[in-house]
Amino acid sequence: DVKVTQSSRYLVKRTGEKVFLECVQDMDHENMFWYRQDPGLGLRLIYFSYDVKMKEKGDIPEGYSVSREKKERFSLILESASTNQTSMYLCASSPGQGASGNTIYFGEGSWLTVV
Amino acid sequence: AQSVSQHNHHVILSEAASLELGCNYSYGGTVNLFWYVQYPGQHLQLLLKYFSGDPLVKGIKGFEAEFIKSKFSFNLRKPSVQWSDTAEYFCAVNPGYSSASKIIFGSGTRLSIRP
Repeated sequence: DVKVTQSSRYLVKRTGEKVFLECVQDMDHENMFWYRQDPGLGLRLIYFSYDVKMKEKGDIPEGYSVSREKKERFSLILESASTNQTSMYLCASSPGQGASGNTIYFGEGSWLTVV
Repeated sequence: AQSVSQHNHHVILSEAASLELGCNYSYGGTVNLFWYVQYPGQHLQLLLKYFSGDPLVKGIKGFEAEFIKSKFSFNLRKPSVQWSDTAEYFCAVNPGYSSASKIIFGSGTRLSIRP
């Protein structure tokens, strides 16, 4: 089974703090993703990475950055956390090859509260 | 812009009732289609997917979905629900066999089953 592991399930941070969310996948997948999940809005893509050191902005990249130094690890960074970034953050990965490469596998999510 | 609509935000059923959750998308070309499920406190997991071939797709736990191209729909069905089916269900569409980063998720349908 594909395993996508997010290092923190629950975090509480103060406004203005720098926040790191870490994610590791164990299936040698090419693609990794960070989504944000909010009630009534579904999943919105923040950033996508298709290779080491390669990234693309998603639908809502403002206020976020990412880092992918190793294939298995993808980090989401909030440079200066704000209360409107309180949300559930989902890391995901996909193989990236052929039609089945579009199947996305998710981590358990990180609940971030910014106070 | 492409979109995915899940018209039912919250569905409440009794055990043994039949289920149909609607999903419509706006893209006119070829698509990959997915249903994901998120049980309380758990990660999003793939329920079933359609890439090509038989438009009636069977997934895990007795779920199935039918791709009707003329209606731009991919509705999820189960003949008899159980209390353990209580979860949030997300429809997703990958338009035109493009990169997994282009997958669009619906806003989700919360399913509550009365024992």
